Amino acid sequence: ETAVFQTPNYHVTQVGNEVSFNCKQTLGHDTMYWYKQDSKKLLKIMFSYNNKQLIVNETVPRRFSPQSSDKAHLNLRIKSVEPEDSAVYLCASSWGVNTGQLYFGEGSKLTVL
Amino acid sequence: TQTVSQSDAHVTVFEGDSVELRCNYSYGGSIYLSWYIQHHGRGLQFLLKYYSGNPVVQGVNGFEAEFSKSDSSFHLRKASVHWSDSAVYFCAASASGGNYKPTFGKGTSLVVHP
Repeated sequence: ETAVFQTPNYHVTQVGNEVSFNCKQTLGHDTMYWYKQDSKKLLKIMFSYNNKQLIVNETVPRRFSPQSSDKAHLNLRIKSVEPEDSAVYLCASSWGVNTGQLYFGEGSKLTVL
Repeated sequence: TQTVSQSDAHVTVFEGDSVELRCNYSYGGSIYLSWYIQHHGRGLQFLLKYYSGNPVVQGVNGFEAEFSKSDSSFHLRKASVHWSDSAVYFCAASASGGNYKPTFGKGTSLVVHP
């Protein structure tokens, strides 16, 4: 049963546009993550928040910015998309950090034309 | 920083066969090791994890994994696969020391022929 909800599931846009992905979890977890999954299925962590505090901020282009309004929500904004941003963006949550058990959403697939 | 290696990119078996998907890790301290399954077009689903205790851990849908410190491995096994087990399987590691970055292997695509 899905408890990590991502919207939109698909988004097609052109180079230079802005896009936002939203994520909400209903599990009561205190830690949330954004991962990027490329066309080869490789998963790379981008950001992580614990109790609304940024704890992981990987080396990603500055056009990417996370936004956390509370423990249950973590959004991702891309200010001016580039073709290499085409990927699936996966949101996940966990109870605590480093517990070895993440709960993932269904993903948001971005296509940049 | 922990690293995770999945040596097999693709594994093909027939329904009813047993299967083992391999995972090796590198990290000097305490570590959580996990397996996840990703069906086509879906998110990842947690299967099982190990941190300490019995090195053989049971997961959902008949999956189990065995931890070996000497081999730095955490291989996933299933005794009899079903066609619905066709998916990509990811091994993951989370260092308990606190770098807060769950790290995933490259994934193994399992295809089960009926």
